Amino acid sequence: DVVMTQTPPSLSVAIGQSVSISCKSSQSLVASDKNTYLNWLLQSPGRSPKRLIYQVSKLDSGVPDRFSGSGSEKDFTLKISRVEAEDLGVYYCLQGTHLPFTFGSGTKLEIK
Amino acid sequence: EVQLVESGGGLVQPGSSLKLSCVASGFTFSSYNMHWIRQAPKKGLEWIALIYYDSSNKYYADSVKGRFTISRDNSKNTLYLEMNSLRSEDTAMYYCAKSGDYWGQGVMVTVSS
Repeated sequence: DVVMTQTPPSLSVAIGQSVSISCKSSQSLVASDKNTYLNWLLQSPGRSPKRLIYQVSKLDSGVPDRFSGSGSEKDFTLKISRVEAEDLGVYYCLQGTHLPFTFGSGTKLEIK
Repeated sequence: EVQLVESGGGLVQPGSSLKLSCVASGFTFSSYNMHWIRQAPKKGLEWIALIYYDSSNKYYADSVKGRFTISRDNSKNTLYLEMNSLRSEDTAMYYCAKSGDYWGQGVMVTVSS
């Protein structure tokens, strides 16, 4: 199985600051169709997860452009610019290239 | 508006069975692959099953293979997860998801004597 190593496990940030979350996979996530199926999700407190970014850097509809994704092969980053209070929760990366699909262990974002 | 509504959870004894349902609306259900994902209390997310849009392929995590069965009824816009030989470690919130982009609110399954 592909292991997704996500860091850091937690972050505490002030409103307006920027943060980055890293996700490294144990195998390349480039699929046979040349796409890279790396997603970022946010689970807000008491809510079900919501996808923010798919295929490394494509924002889902309605997701603010403060969120951005980058990376390739085995090394990926989620960046949140100008953090807002509504951004708190647990962020997960998810690889959908290799079965079984696997998640990172999560990064808990707290607001100072 | 896409909606996914799970049901069928509850408290069951180890070794028993349970069948979860997920009713979909707001999109053409028969055109999309569907997933089940679970989250044990205070833990991370675990993908457990995938079914193709036409039921032609089904895939499972090793942790549930041979015990759980994913299925769908496109005429009823409904996804199912049949769970047999339940164990305490199956205790979790179970989510259905449309191709990963939309998730339901989840349904709790507790396996305990």
